[in-house]
Amino acid sequence: DAGVIQSPRHEVTEMGQEVTLRCKPISGHDYLFWYRQTMMRGLELLIYFNNNVPIDDSGMPEDRFSAKMPNASFSTLKIQPSEPRDSAVYFCASRASGTGIFDTIYFGEGSWLTVV
Amino acid sequence: KQEVTQIPAALSVPEGENLVLNCSFTDSAIYNLQWFRQDPGKGLTSLLLIQSSQREQTSGRLNASLDKSSGRSTLYIAASQPGDSATYLCAVTTLLRVRDNYGQNFVFGPGTRLSVLP
Repeated sequence: DAGVIQSPRHEVTEMGQEVTLRCKPISGHDYLFWYRQTMMRGLELLIYFNNNVPIDDSGMPEDRFSAKMPNASFSTLKIQPSEPRDSAVYFCASRASGTGIFDTIYFGEGSWLTVV
Repeated sequence: KQEVTQIPAALSVPEGENLVLNCSFTDSAIYNLQWFRQDPGKGLTSLLLIQSSQREQTSGRLNASLDKSSGRSTLYIAASQPGDSATYLCAVTTLLRVRDNYGQNFVFGPGTRLSVLP
């Protein structure tokens, strides 16, 4: 399997523009997570889905952020309008349900967002 | 609220040394604990996963221990190599009720930045 695939890898955008980050989880994984990593706050869970349904979005910073998972193989995280403080690395991760080794969570390589 | 801390924040050792990284968490009601490695510009790679009922896990030169009652985990790296240089993060998983579902909450520590000098 190719692993968790994220796009774009790098994006530089102007304040006020809409940003859409994309994620393809590992096939067969029914949990999908969106994380944000910054130097100041470390890794923060933004939202996660189970079987395409959002389970916990309490980490989404504000209404400018939204996430969707229209099917089992695709998810988006959208920021509209973007602000400089949104600059961070956004990671998507997935895992399979079950116990033991299935608890291992797999991360994509991240989308590096810079808002100027 | 679960909080995870890691000590030290950074560590530099000569090649060949054995070393220990520490992780502490405030709520002992965890489901499991994982250690991850993150290389610069990359995502996180899971190294070891310890279920709450286990006390340790081993993979090659890595050994992770878990003491749930005291809220601590250690990652032991034997015979360190320059290729071990990376940031190591621990993450604890707790179960929580969200609306009408039970979900899992993952809380990451800030990481320990390790440099192994040749």
